[in-house]
Amino acid sequence: GQNIDQPTEMTATEGAIVQINCTYQTSGFNGLFWYQQHAGEAPTFLSYNVLDGLEEKGRFSSFLSRSKGYSYLLLKELQMKDSASYLCAVSDSNYQLIWGAGTKLIIKP
Amino acid sequence: SAVISQKPSRDICQRGTSLTIQCQVDSQVTMMFWYRQQPGQSLTLIATANQGSEATYESGFVIDKFPISRPNLTFSTLTVSNMSPEDSSIYLCSVGRGTETGELFFGEGSRLTVL
Repeated sequence: GQNIDQPTEMTATEGAIVQINCTYQTSGFNGLFWYQQHAGEAPTFLSYNVLDGLEEKGRFSSFLSRSKGYSYLLLKELQMKDSASYLCAVSDSNYQLIWGAGTKLIIKP
Repeated sequence: SAVISQKPSRDICQRGTSLTIQCQVDSQVTMMFWYRQQPGQSLTLIATANQGSEATYESGFVIDKFPISRPNLTFSTLTVSNMSPEDSSIYLCSVGRGTETGELFFGEGSRLTVL
Protein backbone atom coordinates (compact mmCIF):
# COMPACT_ATOMS: atom_id res chain seq x y z
CA GLY A 1 0.00 0.00 0.00
CA GLN A 2 0.90 3.62 -0.20
CA ASN A 3 1.81 5.45 2.95
CA ILE A 4 2.91 8.88 4.08
CA ASP A 5 4.13 9.31 7.66
CA GLN A 6 4.68 12.56 9.50
CA PRO A 7 4.52 13.46 13.19
CA THR A 8 1.09 14.38 14.46
CA GLU A 9 2.15 17.41 16.44
CA MET A 10 5.26 19.46 17.20
CA THR A 11 5.93 22.40 19.47
CA ALA A 12 8.58 25.05 18.95
CA THR A 13 9.54 28.47 20.29
CA GLU A 14 9.18 31.77 18.47
CA GLY A 15 12.45 32.69 16.77
CA ALA A 16 13.75 29.11 16.75
CA ILE A 17 14.13 26.54 13.97
CA VAL A 18 11.96 23.47 13.51
CA GLN A 19 12.25 20.49 11.15
CA ILE A 20 9.16 18.53 10.16
CA ASN A 21 9.93 15.10 8.74
CA CYS A 22 7.98 13.10 6.19
CA THR A 23 8.65 9.53 5.07
CA TYR A 24 6.83 7.90 2.23
CA GLN A 25 6.25 4.60 0.52
CA THR A 26 4.45 4.99 -2.79
CA SER A 27 4.10 3.21 -6.09
CA GLY A 28 6.32 5.45 -8.12
CA PHE A 29 7.38 9.01 -7.45
CA ASN A 30 6.73 12.19 -9.38
CA GLY A 31 7.48 14.76 -6.75
CA LEU A 32 6.79 15.72 -3.17
CA PHE A 33 4.78 18.72 -2.03
CA TRP A 34 4.51 20.59 1.24
CA TYR A 35 1.38 22.57 2.04
CA GLN A 36 0.52 24.84 4.94
CA GLN A 37 -2.97 24.83 6.38
CA HIS A 38 -4.08 27.28 9.04
CA ALA A 39 -6.97 26.18 11.21
CA GLY A 40 -10.26 26.60 9.41
CA GLU A 41 -8.60 27.53 6.14
CA ALA A 42 -7.70 25.77 2.90
CA PRO A 43 -4.19 24.38 2.30
CA THR A 44 -1.73 26.63 0.50
CA PHE A 45 1.27 25.48 -1.48
CA LEU A 46 4.72 25.85 0.09
CA SER A 47 7.20 23.80 -1.92
CA TYR A 48 7.80 21.09 -4.48
CA ASN A 49 10.80 18.73 -4.67
CA VAL A 50 11.39 16.22 -7.43
CA LEU A 51 15.19 15.97 -7.32
CA ASP A 52 17.36 15.15 -4.31
CA GLY A 53 18.61 18.06 -2.31
CA LEU A 54 17.53 21.22 -0.60
CA GLU A 55 15.18 23.85 -2.00
CA GLU A 56 15.26 27.15 -0.14
CA LYS A 57 12.50 29.73 -0.24
CA GLY A 58 12.92 32.49 2.31
CA ARG A 59 12.49 31.19 5.84
CA PHE A 60 11.27 27.84 4.56
CA SER A 61 13.41 25.07 3.04
CA SER A 62 12.46 21.61 1.86
CA PHE A 63 14.77 18.65 1.47
CA LEU A 64 14.31 15.41 -0.44
CA SER A 65 16.12 12.08 -0.49
CA ARG A 66 14.44 9.77 -2.98
CA SER A 67 16.61 6.78 -2.08
CA LYS A 68 15.49 7.03 1.54
CA GLY A 69 11.89 7.97 0.81
CA TYR A 70 12.38 10.97 3.06
CA SER A 71 11.74 14.68 3.09
CA TYR A 72 11.77 17.44 5.64
CA LEU A 73 10.45 20.95 5.84
CA LEU A 74 12.70 23.36 7.73
CA LEU A 75 11.23 26.54 9.16
CA LYS A 76 13.64 29.19 10.43
CA GLU A 77 13.09 32.28 12.56
CA LEU A 78 9.72 30.98 13.61
CA GLN A 79 6.89 33.45 13.94
CA MET A 80 3.58 33.03 15.73
CA LYS A 81 1.82 33.07 12.35
CA ASP A 82 3.65 29.85 11.45
CA SER A 83 1.34 27.99 13.81
CA ALA A 84 -0.51 25.73 11.38
CA SER A 85 -0.69 22.21 10.07
CA TYR A 86 1.91 21.19 7.51
CA LEU A 87 0.86 18.57 4.99
CA CYS A 88 3.25 16.36 3.05
CA ALA A 89 1.96 14.93 -0.24
CA VAL A 90 3.60 12.67 -2.82
CA SER A 91 2.69 12.39 -6.48
CA ASP A 92 2.78 8.70 -7.41
CA SER A 93 3.38 6.98 -10.74
CA ASN A 94 -0.11 8.00 -11.92
CA TYR A 95 0.43 11.59 -10.78
CA GLN A 96 -2.10 10.97 -8.05
CA LEU A 97 -1.42 12.90 -4.86
CA ILE A 98 -1.07 10.80 -1.72
CA TRP A 99 -1.51 12.95 1.37
CA GLY A 100 -0.06 12.64 4.83
CA ALA A 101 -2.28 13.37 7.81
CA GLY A 102 -0.43 16.59 8.53
CA THR A 103 1.76 17.86 11.35
CA LYS A 104 0.23 20.41 13.68
CA LEU A 105 2.91 22.93 14.60
CA ILE A 106 2.40 24.93 17.78
CA ILE A 107 4.57 28.01 18.26
CA LYS A 108 5.06 29.29 21.79
CA PRO A 109 6.30 32.77 22.69
CA SER B 1 -2.27 31.33 -9.29
CA ALA B 2 -5.99 30.67 -9.38
CA VAL B 3 -8.72 32.23 -7.29
CA ILE B 4 -11.32 29.69 -6.28
CA SER B 5 -14.63 30.58 -4.67
CA GLN B 6 -16.65 27.97 -2.88
CA LYS B 7 -20.10 28.20 -1.38
CA PRO B 8 -21.58 27.62 1.02
CA SER B 9 -18.64 28.15 3.37
CA ARG B 10 -20.49 26.24 6.05
CA ASP B 11 -23.86 24.67 6.63
CA ILE B 12 -25.74 22.62 9.15
CA CYS B 13 -27.88 19.94 7.54
CA GLN B 14 -30.44 17.42 8.61
CA ARG B 15 -29.91 13.72 8.18
CA GLY B 16 -31.33 12.41 4.90
CA THR B 17 -31.14 15.70 3.03
CA SER B 18 -28.78 16.64 0.20
CA LEU B 19 -26.58 19.68 -0.25
CA THR B 20 -24.85 21.02 -3.34
CA ILE B 21 -21.50 22.79 -3.06
CA GLN B 22 -20.48 25.17 -5.80
CA CYS B 23 -16.96 25.91 -6.96
CA GLN B 24 -16.12 28.84 -9.24
CA VAL B 25 -12.62 29.44 -10.65
CA ASP B 26 -11.43 32.75 -12.08
CA SER B 27 -9.75 31.08 -15.06
CA GLN B 28 -10.37 28.10 -17.32
CA VAL B 29 -8.94 24.87 -15.97
CA THR B 30 -8.99 21.39 -17.40
CA MET B 31 -9.21 19.40 -14.21
CA MET B 32 -10.97 20.18 -10.99
CA PHE B 33 -10.71 18.01 -7.92
CA TRP B 34 -13.04 17.48 -5.00
CA TYR B 35 -11.50 16.54 -1.66
CA ARG B 36 -12.87 15.69 1.74
CA GLN B 37 -11.04 16.45 4.97
CA GLN B 38 -12.52 14.98 8.12
CA PRO B 39 -11.46 16.46 11.46
CA GLY B 40 -7.82 15.71 12.19
CA GLN B 41 -7.53 13.62 9.04
CA SER B 42 -5.63 13.80 5.80
CA LEU B 43 -7.12 15.08 2.57
CA THR B 44 -9.01 12.38 0.69
CA LEU B 45 -9.71 12.73 -3.01
CA ILE B 46 -13.37 12.10 -3.81
CA ALA B 47 -13.28 12.56 -7.57
CA THR B 48 -11.78 14.40 -10.51
CA ALA B 49 -14.26 16.53 -12.42
CA ASN B 50 -13.64 16.68 -16.16
CA GLN B 51 -15.48 19.07 -18.42
CA GLY B 52 -17.69 17.30 -20.91
CA SER B 53 -17.40 13.85 -19.41
CA GLU B 54 -18.30 11.86 -16.31
CA ALA B 55 -16.32 12.52 -13.18
CA THR B 56 -13.73 9.95 -12.18
CA TYR B 57 -14.38 8.65 -8.67
CA GLU B 58 -11.85 7.25 -6.23
CA SER B 59 -12.27 3.98 -4.42
CA GLY B 60 -14.92 4.27 -1.76
CA PHE B 61 -16.82 7.08 -3.44
CA VAL B 62 -19.76 6.58 -5.82
CA ILE B 63 -21.70 8.83 -8.14
CA ASP B 64 -25.04 8.17 -6.45
CA LYS B 65 -23.71 9.53 -3.17
CA PHE B 66 -21.54 12.34 -4.59
CA PRO B 67 -22.91 13.43 -7.98
CA ILE B 68 -20.68 16.00 -9.68
CA SER B 69 -21.41 18.42 -12.47
CA ARG B 70 -18.85 20.19 -14.64
CA PRO B 71 -20.78 22.27 -17.17
CA ASN B 72 -17.82 24.42 -18.25
CA LEU B 73 -14.13 25.03 -17.62
CA THR B 74 -14.63 27.42 -14.71
CA PHE B 75 -17.37 25.82 -12.63
CA SER B 76 -18.23 22.59 -10.86
CA THR B 77 -20.65 21.35 -8.23
CA LEU B 78 -20.48 18.50 -5.76
CA THR B 79 -23.66 17.19 -4.17
CA VAL B 80 -23.57 15.24 -0.95
CA SER B 81 -26.71 13.10 -1.11
CA ASN B 82 -28.81 11.53 1.62
CA MET B 83 -26.47 12.86 4.28
CA SER B 84 -25.64 11.15 7.53
CA PRO B 85 -23.54 12.40 10.46
CA GLU B 86 -20.57 10.53 8.98
CA ASP B 87 -20.63 13.00 6.10
CA SER B 88 -19.78 15.85 8.46
CA SER B 89 -16.54 17.12 7.03
CA ILE B 90 -14.83 19.90 5.12
CA TYR B 91 -15.24 19.58 1.37
CA LEU B 92 -12.59 21.29 -0.74
CA CYS B 93 -12.54 22.16 -4.41
CA SER B 94 -9.11 22.24 -6.00
CA VAL B 95 -7.48 22.97 -9.34
CA GLY B 96 -3.97 22.36 -10.56
CA ARG B 97 -1.53 23.79 -13.04
CA GLY B 98 -1.19 20.38 -14.59
CA THR B 99 -0.81 16.78 -13.65
CA GLU B 100 2.98 16.52 -13.66
CA THR B 101 4.56 19.25 -11.63
CA GLY B 102 1.88 21.70 -10.78
CA GLU B 103 0.81 22.54 -7.31
CA LEU B 104 -2.84 22.58 -6.35
CA PHE B 105 -4.86 25.63 -5.46
CA PHE B 106 -7.70 25.14 -3.04
CA GLY B 107 -11.00 26.85 -2.43
CA GLU B 108 -11.83 28.02 1.06
CA GLY B 109 -13.67 24.80 1.78
CA SER B 110 -17.25 24.05 2.78
CA ARG B 111 -17.69 22.86 6.34
CA LEU B 112 -20.74 20.62 6.60
CA THR B 113 -22.25 19.47 9.86
CA VAL B 114 -24.96 16.81 9.63
CA LEU B 115 -27.24 16.40 12.61
